[in-house]
Amino acid sequence: EPEVTQTPSHQVTQMGQEVILRCVPISNHLYFYWYRQILGQKVEFLVSFYNNEISEKSEIFDDQFSVERPDGSNFTLKIRSTKLEDSAMYFCASRKEGIGEKLFFGSGTQLSVL
Amino acid sequence: KNEVEQSPQNLTAQEGEFITINCSYSVGISALHWLQQHPGGGIVSLFMLSSGKKKHGRLIATINIQEKHSSLHITASHPRDSAVYICTIIQGAQKLVFGQGTRLTINP
Repeated sequence: EPEVTQTPSHQVTQMGQEVILRCVPISNHLYFYWYRQILGQKVEFLVSFYNNEISEKSEIFDDQFSVERPDGSNFTLKIRSTKLEDSAMYFCASRKEGIGEKLFFGSGTQLSVL
Repeated sequence: KNEVEQSPQNLTAQEGEFITINCSYSVGISALHWLQQHPGGGIVSLFMLSSGKKKHGRLIATINIQEKHSSLHITASHPRDSAVYICTIIQGAQKLVFGQGTRLTINP
């Protein structure tokens, strides 16, 4: 079965540093998402992306966050100036066109901000 | 109040038991997903529902749109079914709202 791949699997950074988390969605998928899960808490929606622009974002997704699809295959999440509370597992997901289509998740990037 | 509520939060059962996990939501949705998260953290989509019932192997998922309720059932449960099961609603086409998850432990 096709897979969504995320890199790196673990990222450790100092507070205030910029990080870029990378995702390669499945090739014929058109909708892309970022979620995060802080340890011990529920999964939280961050942002959805369609047709090369953000279609929905949560209140968590403030000016410190941005997403890009720089080369037609990668889908990146940038955090400009990381805070301690950004430490979480970040998941990317994608799906085909159509509300009824199944979501496919990457295995996540564990971000630790020190 | 959470838009998506799951019950129970934790469930421990013996191998072979029939398992039911419930999900109630309070807003209009276009669809609902049941997800499985294993101890390593990876998330897998089990079902997408917009009406009725779906079955895959020992897993059955139902949804009642009028009552804003969905259930996930596992027949003949097995220790490998131990995981966190997450109910997720889709608002509009793009926004997903997650339940807090149900931690299922199946003992041999």
